[in-house]
Amino acid sequence: LAKTTQPISMDSYEGQEVNITCSHNNIATNDYITWYQQFPSQGPRFIIQGYKTKVTNEVASLFIPADRKSSTLSLPRVSLSDTAVYYCLVALGNKFYFGSGTKLNVKP
Amino acid sequence: KAGVTQTPRYLIKTRGQQVTLSCSPISGHRSVSWYQQTPGQGLQFLFEYFSETQRNKGNFPGRFSGRQFSNSRSEMNVSTLELGDSALYLCASSLGDRGFYGNEKLFFGSGTQLSVL
Repeated sequence: LAKTTQPISMDSYEGQEVNITCSHNNIATNDYITWYQQFPSQGPRFIIQGYKTKVTNEVASLFIPADRKSSTLSLPRVSLSDTAVYYCLVALGNKFYFGSGTKLNVKP
Repeated sequence: KAGVTQTPRYLIKTRGQQVTLSCSPISGHRSVSWYQQTPGQGLQFLFEYFSETQRNKGNFPGRFSGRQFSNSRSEMNVSTLELGDSALYLCASSLGDRGFYGNEKLFFGSGTQLSVL
């Protein structure tokens, strides 16, 4: 069984809001949920991190429901440069696991 | 501040050989973690070092090992290479003040692309 579930790919147009969800069961109670962005030939780059409810920074928002069985990364008004793979990182038990990644394709 | 530096960028080895990869963290970061990335398995955690001690370990065979030096620089070694070890190996550094690397804000290098022939 997959430890986390993310959509394999998503398409969007410039200027739209994009929401990417990561589903996970048995998430550790006291650990964070973190999202990373990866471009080809580069290492992942930190986007946002949260523990519960909602977190917002200058590039994204992160929504975490009360049961913490999923989290949603929200990218407002995407541009072509947001085309990348997005990974969630969650703690399950005493281990951390990256999601399988969601390839976001932003079209003009 | 300079980012995380990994060397070499590309490496080609043959089965049975061993390889050592190097990672220089961001100045002031005490934790270095290593990851293997493949198209089939995605991003998988190898191990994490903090203050020269292995603090967390993933589910990889003993052929994969690492160490950290007093200046926080880290090396990863893979012995008796197998074809399946072909992957992008990434290291990340972080402050190391939250106990678990997954709770930290990780700064990744660009990786070492290892090809095993």
